[in-house]
Amino acid sequence: GQQLNQSPQSMFIQEGEDVSMNCTSSSIFNTWLWYKQDPGEGPVLLIALYKAGELTSNGRLTAQFGITRKDSFLNISASIPSDVGIYFCAGWNDMRFGAGTRLTVKP
Amino acid sequence: DGGITQSPKYLFRKEGQNVTLSCEQNLNHDAMYWYRQDPGQGLRLIYYSQIVNDFQKGDIAEGYSVSREKKESFPLTVTSAQKNPTAFYLCASSIFPVSGANVLTFGAGSRLTVL
Repeated sequence: GQQLNQSPQSMFIQEGEDVSMNCTSSSIFNTWLWYKQDPGEGPVLLIALYKAGELTSNGRLTAQFGITRKDSFLNISASIPSDVGIYFCAGWNDMRFGAGTRLTVKP
Repeated sequence: DGGITQSPKYLFRKEGQNVTLSCEQNLNHDAMYWYRQDPGQGLRLIYYSQIVNDFQKGDIAEGYSVSREKKESFPLTVTSAQKNPTAFYLCASSIFPVSGANVLTFGAGSRLTVL
C-alpha cells in the first residue's frame, strides 16, 4: 500500500486555539477521509473529500483535498476540550491510514 | 440502529492460547476489515474481505486467521503463532467494493491482553 505521512505526530494546545494538521503521499488518491478516535473507541468519520481542490466544512472543522491529489489538510477552529483524541487521515486507493495526530487541549 | 458490534470489549488470554474476536454488522455492507492498533500507533491492516467466502491478507496477517461465512460476520482469530498479540483490535465495514470511494464504519474495538 501507499505510504501516508501525517503531521504533526502530536499537538498540545490551549483551549480556543486553532489547529492544523496535514497528510501527504507520494501517490495520487481519489478520496481523502479524516477520522477522529476518542480514547478506547473506534474512529469516527469527520469529513470525506472526493474531488481535487474541494474544501469542506463540518462545524468547526474544515478539510481540503489538495490540487495535486497527493495531500490533504484538516483545520479545527476555536478548539475545545472535547476535541482531544487522535485524528487519522486515509487516502482511499487502498485501506491504509496515516499514523495519526494526537491532540491534547488544555483548558 | 445499524452499526458494527465487536465483542468482547476486553479479553485476557494466556500465552499459547488461541482467541477469537467477534465482529457483526447490520449495515448490509459488502466489505469488512480488521485493523490492529498498538499504543500511540496508527492502524495496521490485518485482513479484509470484499465478499462472502473470500478474504485477503493485509500488511500484518501472520499469526491471524479470519473467515467470512456470512455477509454480516467477520471473526478474527488470534493464534498462538502471533508473537505479540496484546493490542487494540478494530473491525470496520464499508458499503462499496474496495476500489470504490468507500467510507469505513468502525466498531468500538476489542482490547486483547496476553498475560
